[in-house]
Amino acid sequence: DGGITQSPKYLFRKEGQNVTLSCEQNLNHDAMYWYRQDPGQGLRLIYYSQIVNDFQKGDIAEGYSVSREKKESFPLTVTSAQKNPTAFYLCASSRQEGGTEAFFGQGTRLTVV
Amino acid sequence: AQKVTQAQTEISVVEKEDVTLDCVYETRDTTYYLFWYKQPPSGELVFLIRRNSFDEQNEISGRYSWNFQKSTSSFNFTITASQVVDSAVYFCALSEVFMNRDDKIIFGKGTRLHILP
Repeated sequence: DGGITQSPKYLFRKEGQNVTLSCEQNLNHDAMYWYRQDPGQGLRLIYYSQIVNDFQKGDIAEGYSVSREKKESFPLTVTSAQKNPTAFYLCASSRQEGGTEAFFGQGTRLTVV
Repeated sequence: AQKVTQAQTEISVVEKEDVTLDCVYETRDTTYYLFWYKQPPSGELVFLIRRNSFDEQNEISGRYSWNFQKSTSSFNFTITASQVVDSAVYFCALSEVFMNRDDKIIFGKGTRLHILP
């Protein structure tokens, strides 16, 4: 089945450690996105990529990094510089044409312990 | 700058009642798209509808209907005869289409809908 796979579903991290969240899609979509969801805050855009080897910062990119070496993959690294990393992270993808809907993965819940 | 406002943080209605979720947006572009997504307790966002800025025709899909009014920059979502399965968080979103194709999707803060049996 085509879709977006995020792994792991739950992730625990010690303070001061970097952690990488995986996002893979087999929809042949050019565009991929990372959002962060906090209670009462809705979805906030972290990074997005419209094409391989290129990506742009979203509204809350500080403390995060991404790479887009393959069309299918858009991993997100939460670095130790992110001061409040505990959140629900959602990955999405869409066709590159403007205005197309995004398809979402099931999310990764990251908890810093 | 683009912005999506969902003023209703949380709504509770009794099953079979109709309910309308409000969405107001801001954009500088003349070409844009609006979306509604549903987020059930499982967490994954489910796409419901897309509307482009040139199509103000209202749409109905079963118990769901959408009212798009450019004059008031609103894109409201109505559920008729609500059911317990409609309980979820609903997000309105906006995508502008810039000439450099650097478009992105911006979401509102969501409305949590409780349908009480």
